[in-house]
Amino acid sequence: EDQVTQSPEALRLQEGESSSLNCSYTVSGLRGLFWYRQDPGKGPEFLFTLYSAGEEKEKERLKATLTKKESFLHITAPKPEDSATYLCAVQRRGSTLGRLYFGRGTQLTVWP
Amino acid sequence: DAGVTQSPTHLIKTRGQHVTLRCSPISGHKSVSWYQQVLGQGPQFIFQYYEKEERGRGNFPDRFSARQFPNYSSELNVNALLLGDSALYLCASSLGTGASTDTQYFGPGTRLTVL
Repeated sequence: EDQVTQSPEALRLQEGESSSLNCSYTVSGLRGLFWYRQDPGKGPEFLFTLYSAGEEKEKERLKATLTKKESFLHITAPKPEDSATYLCAVQRRGSTLGRLYFGRGTQLTVWP
Repeated sequence: DAGVTQSPTHLIKTRGQHVTLRCSPISGHKSVSWYQQVLGQGPQFIFQYYEKEERGRGNFPDRFSARQFPNYSSELNVNALLLGDSALYLCASSLGTGASTDTQYFGPGTRLTVL
């Protein structure tokens, strides 16, 4: 059964304190791994797509990496505006076109 | 360019009632997917439509149905509402080409509360 597990469930960081969020997955044939940011009561906002092990992508203070079993979202020198829930999702080859399997998310709080 | 739009923003219903949620995809996108997100969990896949045809269905009861119109907008219908249907309902649109870069972009969601 396809599974996506995110850790930690919640993370509190002081402004400027770098850290990483983890997304481990078991899927029969990965087509793509997606990271989204979600603010309370809002829809997920797309951040990155990763397709193959070794791939890395960066956007401002965020950097996403992918291995054969997990992905990391590194946050460098976070600011309070980075506070949100970060969702990881996978897309499986051969399944319903585009269907995403989500983890439960990591709730990040950055305090000044 | 306008993103994915959903209506209404919030909705309160009572058990046993019926509800219709609406979604307009990004211009040029032909695929719409619906997800249910219960508080504290990740979104769960309900349906996907492409070119007005159902391409996939998640593990939801037959009380849930959807359709896509010629202009690619979509409706999600839920009959005989239960308390457990209270959730944020998300619509996502994508090009639907099946290419590896076919990213799903989400709307703001409809918050449904069932009393």
